[in-house]
Amino acid sequence: QQQVRQSPQSLTVWEGETAILNCSYEDSTFDYFPWYWQFPRESPALLIAIRPVSNKKEDGRFTIFFNKREKKLSLHITDSQPGDSATYFCAASAGTGNYKYVFGAGTRLKVIA
Amino acid sequence: EAAVTQSPRNKVTVTGGNVTLSCRQTNSHNYMYWYRQDTGHGLRLIHYSYGAGNLQIGDVPDGYKATRTTQEDFFLLLELASPSQTSLYFCASSDAGGDERLFFGHGTKLSVL
Repeated sequence: QQQVRQSPQSLTVWEGETAILNCSYEDSTFDYFPWYWQFPRESPALLIAIRPVSNKKEDGRFTIFFNKREKKLSLHITDSQPGDSATYFCAASAGTGNYKYVFGAGTRLKVIA
Repeated sequence: EAAVTQSPRNKVTVTGGNVTLSCRQTNSHNYMYWYRQDTGHGLRLIHYSYGAGNLQIGDVPDGYKATRTTQEDFFLLLELASPSQTSLYFCASSDAGGDERLFFGHGTKLSVL
């Protein structure tokens, strides 16, 4: 059973639009939520991360919105660029000292120029 | 930038074969991980370790053994390989307790015929 779920599986947006990628989780002990991106034929790399002490984390065009009550979070990519085309993984870990990271199945984003 | 090196990059074996995947990190990270990546499943954790001689069970451990011989080296062993283990395998390391990001190797593509 997937502990971290992502939707949609794939998403296509036009250049300049905002892409919204969704993530939900089951385990209420999760307290760290990194997003990784992976370009074709490359390994995943950290994009942005959030802890539940805040409900929003922003880094340039990338923003995580976090809803602890509903156990949901989303990644918003504003002014999407063709170079943002990649697979995005939501991940989670539980508790300080527990460094086991579980990943969702990913959202494949394509940005069309 | 943390360096994680995996070998081999590609491996082909037959059903029932014996395979060892190697991973070395050179940044003195305490945690190391083995993931497999399959379409539709994202990254699934096989085993992980927080130091030499330590082994923690991941989410999909069946059919896999692992050994952490030193701070730098983490091995994944498939003693009776099966076609279901055909996958892309990633090793990762992290400085848990500090910057928690995972640094991934380039991956090993394993085919079991």
